[in-house]
Amino acid sequence: DQQVKQNSPSLSVQEGRISILNCDYTNSMFDYFLWYKKYPAEGPTFLISISSIKDKNEDGRFTVFLNKSAKHLSLHIVPSQPGDSAVYFCAASAFGNEKLTFGTGTRLTIIP
Amino acid sequence: DAGVTQSPTHLIKTRGQQVTLRCSPKSGHDTVSWYQQALGQGPQFIFQYYEEEERQRGNFPDRFSGHQFPNYSSELNVNALLLGDSALYLCASSLWTSAETQYFGPGTRLLVL
Repeated sequence: DQQVKQNSPSLSVQEGRISILNCDYTNSMFDYFLWYKKYPAEGPTFLISISSIKDKNEDGRFTVFLNKSAKHLSLHIVPSQPGDSAVYFCAASAFGNEKLTFGTGTRLTIIP
Repeated sequence: DAGVTQSPTHLIKTRGQQVTLRCSPKSGHDTVSWYQQALGQGPQFIFQYYEEEERQRGNFPDRFSGHQFPNYSSELNVNALLLGDSALYLCASSLWTSAETQYFGPGTRLLVL
């Protein structure tokens, strides 16, 4: 049972444009969500997170939006840069149970 | 500021053998979690250690065991290795008080032949 889903295995975006990565979840107990970026041969790098009490969190070029009623979150990267090319994982946790449940990842390619 | 470190980086074992993987958490962190990432999948939670005790466990058999030392470093042990145990094993550290935000090490890639 895949509780966190990233339905787009890959995404290509031109440099300078906006990249939008999507994530859906099924477990209504999830109340904290994170995005990680992963380069080959490295561990996931924490990017940004959001608590369920918010619907938006911004950090520089990265913004995460949470739609609790739709059980959907998205990561916006603007402007996209070549160094953003990586695999992006969405992860979620529930209060009192801090194990992270990950999606299968989306490979983002930024085209110069 | 040292991040999460793991050793070894790569390992090749044969079926039935035992393996030990090691992790040192980020400076100041007291909680260590272990994840298994199979090819093309997201990381899957194995277990979490705090105060030298296993606090949570994912859906992994008893062949997977761990330990946390007084200096917060941790080991993951896998007995009776199967071909399906071939994966990237990731260690993540955090503060117990904010364990939902975890920082990952580079991983140990295990190949079982």
